[in-house]
Amino acid sequence: ETGVTQTPRHLVMGMTNKKSLKCEQHLGHNAMYWYKQSAKKPLELMFVYSLEERVENNSVPSRFSPECPNSSHLFLHLHTLQPEDSALYLCASSHVQGDTEAFFGQGTRLTVV
Amino acid sequence: GESVGLHLPTLSVQEGDNSIINCAYSNSASDYFIWYKQESGKGPQFIIDIRSNMDKRQGQRVTVLLNKTVKHLSLQIAATQPGDSAVYFCAENTNTGNQFYFGTGTSLTVIP
Repeated sequence: ETGVTQTPRHLVMGMTNKKSLKCEQHLGHNAMYWYKQSAKKPLELMFVYSLEERVENNSVPSRFSPECPNSSHLFLHLHTLQPEDSALYLCASSHVQGDTEAFFGQGTRLTVV
Repeated sequence: GESVGLHLPTLSVQEGDNSIINCAYSNSASDYFIWYKQESGKGPQFIIDIRSNMDKRQGQRVTVLLNKTVKHLSLQIAATQPGDSAVYFCAENTNTGNQFYFGTGTSLTVIP
């Protein structure tokens, strides 16, 4: 148990659906991240929030919309996804400074049908 | 962009042997490095880290070596056990950055 909790663990959605992924941490961290993990590929950084402000958006399509209402919670809102968006979506948190490790959640396994 | 890669995608070792997993990085400004272990169905878990002012750090059964001259990082696992079977990722960041960049990972299989 890393202290980072993601829900749901599994999600199947149609291309016209709207769903949200949730991440929660109570580690006192003030930076949170969304990563996408596809088979045979490195973890792809999607979004970074630092002190509740988005500081990075790595050319992620607008069908992925992050939200960070406070330093403990992070959401990823999904709409009109494509089958190629099927992947494991991982949330992580860390202290703002870059010389401490990031703690990961268990991930949400997303399948788009 | 950043480039962090691993030399070998798969590694099989006999139980009890030592394992060495390698990683290359390209950003000279990187000054903080982490090894993660990811078991099937789980998120990556922190194993050990090293800062750029060090060239070696030891943990319990694990050692990380950093060679900044050739931008190379390695993870050594002593007396490898079946529970060590997993995918291992290296990640790098800067001391002031918020972007952990990961390599593709090495899948370690321990043969009983």
